[in-house]
Amino acid sequence: ETGVTQTPRHLVMGMTNKKSLKCEQHLGHNAMYWYKQSAKKPLELMFVYSLEERVENNSVPSRFSPECPNSSHLFLHLHTLQPEDSALYLCASSLESGSNQPQHFGDGTRLSIL
Amino acid sequence: DAKTTQPPSMDCAEGRAANLPCNHSTISGNEYVYWYRQIHSQGPQYIIHGLKNNETNEMASLIITEDRKSSTLILPHATLRDTAVYYCIVLNNAGNMLTFGGGTRLMVKP
Repeated sequence: ETGVTQTPRHLVMGMTNKKSLKCEQHLGHNAMYWYKQSAKKPLELMFVYSLEERVENNSVPSRFSPECPNSSHLFLHLHTLQPEDSALYLCASSLESGSNQPQHFGDGTRLSIL
Repeated sequence: DAKTTQPPSMDCAEGRAANLPCNHSTISGNEYVYWYRQIHSQGPQYIIHGLKNNETNEMASLIITEDRKSSTLILPHATLRDTAVYYCIVLNNAGNMLTFGGGTRLMVKP
């Protein structure tokens, strides 16, 4: 139990569907992150939020839309995805962004695009 | 951020110490060394991190050489549950992006 919970654990969707990934952290952290992990590129940082404000956006396509309503919850809204978007999507949190405090990960959502 | 080099795989007998090396010869003064591990179908798990001094917690010990160009993660009494891919990462205290290289696949055998 890492204190970071992601749902769903598995998701299969067509390219025209709209779905959302959810992340919740129970660690009292102020920073939250979305990563993509695939076989071709081991770990890619997508978005960083600090105190509900987006502080980093690493050239992610607009078909991925993050939302951070409070410091404990993070969403990733998906629409019109492509087959190459199939991957493990990981959420992480840390005490502060841009510090030496370690990031703690959830178990991810395994996403498959048909 | 500095790059790291790790052996692709290692074996360890159950109950023995597992010593996992990492080379980070281009590390700069403000970069920390972090260790994570990932068990299949789970997210990465934070193990330990340090800057200059050796560190120990309930999971492992981290030994950093005096010149900081390499480090060793020590699991003092490896169990079968420690079988995983172990990643060594260096990151400065202003960086957000964790980048995992190939890591070391540790196989703990009975």
